[in-house]
Amino acid sequence: NAGVTQTPKFQVLKTGQSMTLQCAQDMNHNSMYWYRQDPGMGLRLIYYSASEGTTDKGEVPNGYNVSRLNKREFSLRLESAAPSQTSVYFCASSFSTGQGTETQYFGPGTRLLVL
Amino acid sequence: QKEVEQNSGPLSVPEGAIASLNCTYSDRVSQSFFWYRQYSGKSPELIMSIYSNGDKEDGRFTAQLNKASQYVSLLIRDSQPSDSATYLCAVKLARNTDKLIFGTGTRLQVFP
Repeated sequence: NAGVTQTPKFQVLKTGQSMTLQCAQDMNHNSMYWYRQDPGMGLRLIYYSASEGTTDKGEVPNGYNVSRLNKREFSLRLESAAPSQTSVYFCASSFSTGQGTETQYFGPGTRLLVL
Repeated sequence: QKEVEQNSGPLSVPEGAIASLNCTYSDRVSQSFFWYRQYSGKSPELIMSIYSNGDKEDGRFTAQLNKASQYVSLLIRDSQPSDSATYLCAVKLARNTDKLIFGTGTRLQVFP
């Protein structure tokens, strides 16, 4: 049981390049999330997916797209990277019951540097 | 006003002391509250969750919730150097479904 996995662990991009961050979970969770974490800003939600085939914007969605490929996988795409997207990106998942008691489990993170 | 506020710290306490971490939130209808611990360079991990007013204890950790004052705290008894980390407060807003709003975190330093 690997939990939540993310690839790559670290990436350097040039401004304007594109890339996709991959996330997978093996806990049979229905909800998945993408966050970015910047110094002094805490964790900010980029996008989330309540179930396969559905996605919704979070607090900071501009410049990103997501795809919920199946129940296990949720990818985050940067179409044209900008230096402002330099950050640590975390994927998380949870089993939502609608009771408000869901625990989110986080992946190890992807450190992205945009030059 | 930020939706979830924490003092960034660092909060420095000696080994064996009680560390008290505080969090305030702005939405009165918030219903679920979580404390995550994050070591430097690592991902957040859940320590405690609390949903009702009062105290909830788990080992050396106690979460306290006061919905009237919109305040949630985490007490760490017998603090150890291994407790040195950033502690993130997260709140589930009633108007959302699964989303959590995180505070910026409080950095705790426990010195021997």
